[in-house]
Amino acid sequence: DSGVTQTPKHLITATGQRVTLRCSPRSGDLSVYWYQQSLDQGLQFLIQYYNGEERAKGNILERFSAQQFPDLHSELNLSSLELGDSALYFCASSPFSTGNTEAFFGQGTRLTVV
Amino acid sequence: AQSVTQLGSHVSVSEGALVLLRCNYSSSVPPYLFWYVQYPNQGLQLLLKYTSAATLVKGINGFEAEFKKSETSFHLTKPSAHMSDAAEYFCAVSAGWTGNQFYFGTGTSLTVIP
Repeated sequence: DSGVTQTPKHLITATGQRVTLRCSPRSGDLSVYWYQQSLDQGLQFLIQYYNGEERAKGNILERFSAQQFPDLHSELNLSSLELGDSALYFCASSPFSTGNTEAFFGQGTRLTVV
Repeated sequence: AQSVTQLGSHVSVSEGALVLLRCNYSSSVPPYLFWYVQYPNQGLQLLLKYTSAATLVKGINGFEAEFKKSETSFHLTKPSAHMSDAAEYFCAVSAGWTGNQFYFGTGTSLTVIP
């Protein structure tokens, strides 16, 4: 158990809908990352927050947004969903925002868009 | 910019044989390098990391990796494969400037043949 909790584990929704994925980082970790894993794209970095502020942005679509709350949990909002958004979404956390610390991954949320 | 290339999307070894999973990196700054393992339907678990200390890094489950700057490589090895090593392995690089977003390779699926 990495200590990172993601909910829900599975989500099935229709095209055009909006969903919210939730992540609780390890106790004490200030940095949260979101990744998308799909068969054709592999593991893609989406966005990073550190202590409530956006720190880095990767290949995140404009239809997607995220935020980190004062209690450090994070939410990833996906809107106007398309079939191609079906993927495994991972949250990870680390204590700091420097590159020499590893990230701890949650079990992921499997999103299926039908 | 940082990136990693994993050579061989599928590797098969016999139980007891040497495991060698290849990773080459590209980084404009001194890199931090990581190997993660993903078992089916689970999140990513850190195997080991290189953060500019010893070039030979030992990790969990008997795995180790050697950082070779001249070859821009960080290959993962294990002297004797076990059935339980069957999983997906990901190499990742982090620069750690404004944030330590990890850039992952496409992964190598390891099959262990009894």
